[in-house]
Order: sequence, then C-alpha cells, then structure tokens
Amino acid sequence: GQNIDQPTEMTATEGAIVQINCTYQTSGFNGLFWYQQHAGEAPTFLSYNVLDGLEEKGRFSSFLSRSKGYSYLLLKELQMKDSASYLCAVMDSNYQLIWGAGTKLIIKP
Amino acid sequence: IAGITQAPTSQILAAGRRMTLRCTQDMRHNAMYWYRQDLGLGLRLIHYSNTAGTTGKGEVPDGYSVSRANTDDFPLTLASAVPSQTSVYFCASSFSGDEDTQYFGPGTRLTVL
Repeated sequence: GQNIDQPTEMTATEGAIVQINCTYQTSGFNGLFWYQQHAGEAPTFLSYNVLDGLEEKGRFSSFLSRSKGYSYLLLKELQMKDSASYLCAVMDSNYQLIWGAGTKLIIKP
Repeated sequence: IAGITQAPTSQILAAGRRMTLRCTQDMRHNAMYWYRQDLGLGLRLIHYSNTAGTTGKGEVPDGYSVSRANTDDFPLTLASAVPSQTSVYFCASSFSGDEDTQYFGPGTRLTVL
C-alpha cells in the first residue's frame, strides 16, 4: 500500500529552527509537496521537490532524497504565526496526491 | 471571485437527505478535486476531474457523485447522507492533472446526524 509518515506533533521555541520529517512509500513518484494549514483554514502551498536536494524559499527550505523515500521541511527564525499543521504529500504514478496526516507545530514564546 | 470558492461554509444535515456542495474557480484551471479531511487522517481524494466533461474516482468515492459540465464548477453530491460522511470537505484545482500545484478552497464543514 501507499504510506506517508510524519510526526503527529512537534513543539519549538520562537526564533529557533525546526525540522519536520516525512517518509514515504508510494506507487511511483512524481514529486513531493509541503503545505501549511492553519486551524480551521485551507491548506496552502509551501514547496515542491521532484529532484534530490535542497530547495530554499525564504525562511522555509525543503529537502528530498528519492533513494531514501525521505523529505524534510526546515523552518528557520520561527515566528508565532508559524504555529500550524504541515502536510506532506507525494504525487504517485497516477498523478494523484497521497497525503500524510500532518504535523502540528506548536510555537512557544 | 478570486481563486476558489465553496458553499456552504458549514451545514448540519439529517441522515438520508441529499446534499450538494458547490465549488467554483475562476483561475481557468483544467483539473479539479474533492477531498475530505478527518481528524488524524490525511486528506483523502473523493473524485477528480482532469478537464471539463470528464471525471474519475479517487480513494473514497462511495456515496458521492460529481459532475463537470464546465471549467469553473465542480459540485459534489451526497445522494443519501450517512453519519460517516461527517467531515470537512475541500475542493482544489490545478492548471493540469499532472504535477502542477493544487490550490484549495476554504472548505465546507458538514455534520450528518
């Protein structure tokens, strides 16, 4: 079967750095997406990786290793507004997104 | 309209009733999707449409139907609602049905009693 694993919850301190991991086993691979979802709101797109390596976008970076079935989202200089759930999703061979359950990130002052 | 809109925002429905959730996008995206989101689970695809006039089944299609008469609208119908269909429903769209980014509507919170 297809499976996306990510931690259920993480806690970090304002101003610090946090890394959210995602491992996957899917039927084919056509890219990995990270989305942010604030409570009661829609998911919003953060990043897309299809090749191995690091993609940097401001305070957020995303890394992919296809051989290991592994990705992480790195958030730097954490702000209180970064408190949200972070969703990892893999596009399979049918171009359908398979979603992890999300990681709830709690930022403490 | 800017982006994707969904209606209603929330709804409480008696079991056995018929309900249509509406979704409209103005981005001229070809592909549209319906997901449900339940606590502790990832988003699950119900139905999708890669272009107007075509639809396909996702992971959890039973009890739901869709139509895609034009590019902008993609309604989701529950023919006879059951309590297990209590969920938050998100509509999404992308330029095409391949590796393009999906953009989400604000969601509909549905409670079936």
